[in-house]
Amino acid sequence: RKEVEQDPGPFNVPEGATVAFNCTYSNSASQSFFWYRQDCRKEPKLLMSVYSSGNEDGRFTAQLNRASQYISLLIRDSKLSDSATYLCVVNMLRNQGGKLIFGQGTELSVKP
Amino acid sequence: DTAVSQTPKYLVTQMGNDKSIKCEQNLGHDTMYWYKQDSKKFLKIMFSYNNKELIINETVPNRFSPKSPDKAHLNLHINSLELGDSAVYFCASSRVGLAGVETQYFGPGTRLLVL
Repeated sequence: RKEVEQDPGPFNVPEGATVAFNCTYSNSASQSFFWYRQDCRKEPKLLMSVYSSGNEDGRFTAQLNRASQYISLLIRDSKLSDSATYLCVVNMLRNQGGKLIFGQGTELSVKP
Repeated sequence: DTAVSQTPKYLVTQMGNDKSIKCEQNLGHDTMYWYKQDSKKFLKIMFSYNNKELIINETVPNRFSPKSPDKAHLNLHINSLELGDSAVYFCASSRVGLAGVETQYFGPGTRLLVL
């Protein structure tokens, strides 16, 4: 079983749609959680951290359920510029730096 | 004023050669990393260094040797390159933010093609 598993993609949605990505992780000792975004031929960039209480950043809402080891990302009113690969990421360490474990990514394509 | 920079951006070389990739960060971070992203786009950690000390070494062949001359630099040397080494290699650095949560910043990547 992969340490971090995401919905297989790609997701093709029209502009303005709401889209949800799901992710599960296998190690209950995981320390912190993130969504990264990676554009084609570019480096991953942090989209948002994910907290147990849930958190929102504009059109993006992230949720974490530690009991079921589940992470989600909701994008509302999707824009063409949201087209990218979304990476669910789990950090296994707390001190002396992190050990990020990446999911395989879910590709999103937003069409006009 | 690039935060995490890598050189070269592209590297095409023959099997059996030895090559190095350099990484520098000007963010003042204590921890630096090397990741490999294979042809299936799966991103996997290889090494991390904290204050020039090796912290993570993830079952990487010993043909790969990281070197950290100082906190701002982490280079990757690869001996006897093999076809399977072809990938994109990303350097990253991180700081501990709120509640001990790491935020990692990635360099632009080095695209290595072994022929």
